[in-house]
Amino acid sequence: EAGVTQSPTHLIKTRGQQATLRCSPISGHTSVYWYQQALGLGLQFLLWYDEGEERNRGNFPPRFSGRQFPNYSSELNVNALELEDSALYLCASRLRTDYEQYFGPGTRLTVT
Amino acid sequence: LAKTTQPISMDSYEGQEVNITCSHNNIATNDYITWYQQFPSQGPRFIIQGYKTKVTNEVASLFIPADRKSSTLSLPRVSLSDTAVYYCLVGDSNTGNQFYFGTGTSLTVIP
Repeated sequence: EAGVTQSPTHLIKTRGQQATLRCSPISGHTSVYWYQQALGLGLQFLLWYDEGEERNRGNFPPRFSGRQFPNYSSELNVNALELEDSALYLCASRLRTDYEQYFGPGTRLTVT
Repeated sequence: LAKTTQPISMDSYEGQEVNITCSHNNIATNDYITWYQQFPSQGPRFIIQGYKTKVTNEVASLFIPADRKSSTLSLPRVSLSDTAVYYCLVGDSNTGNQFYFGTGTSLTVIP
């Protein structure tokens, strides 16, 4: 069974640009979560999507947004990038009837 | 949203048993307790989950007292490869409410 996949692995952007990160959940998983992990810090919850709808959002500004597609894959968009947005962005998927979140390898975003 | 409190870091020698305690004073009736392990530059990995009393699997045990306001992850005979950050979460699968990972406990296993 294929795990959660994320693309790209690394992304380098300039301050003020936009970044788009992608996530494909495990087949059959309808929930997708996005987390930000800055260097040396814990995971900060960003967004939760389920069945194509945004279900909850963490304490991040509106320039962090996303969506979930009919095939349950998801996209995270970060507009007007700032230096402090540099972090590892992790995506996780979950089966509706299970607690366990399965994490992808992450996208390392660097803003210069 | 139930928040958790864990020690920031712990050290242990190889072969010892390690116990990491997590406080979750405002845990709700429907909440389960889940622990994850994270190695550097990787996503967290599920270790164990429980609701009450004791749960054991091939890698760890989870002890939950009757009031459920805390839980203890027990790692038997740790090795150097157990050096990682350990996160405790509480949540209800019906709401998908397991977002708060916190800063976790950084465990260092010493030879």
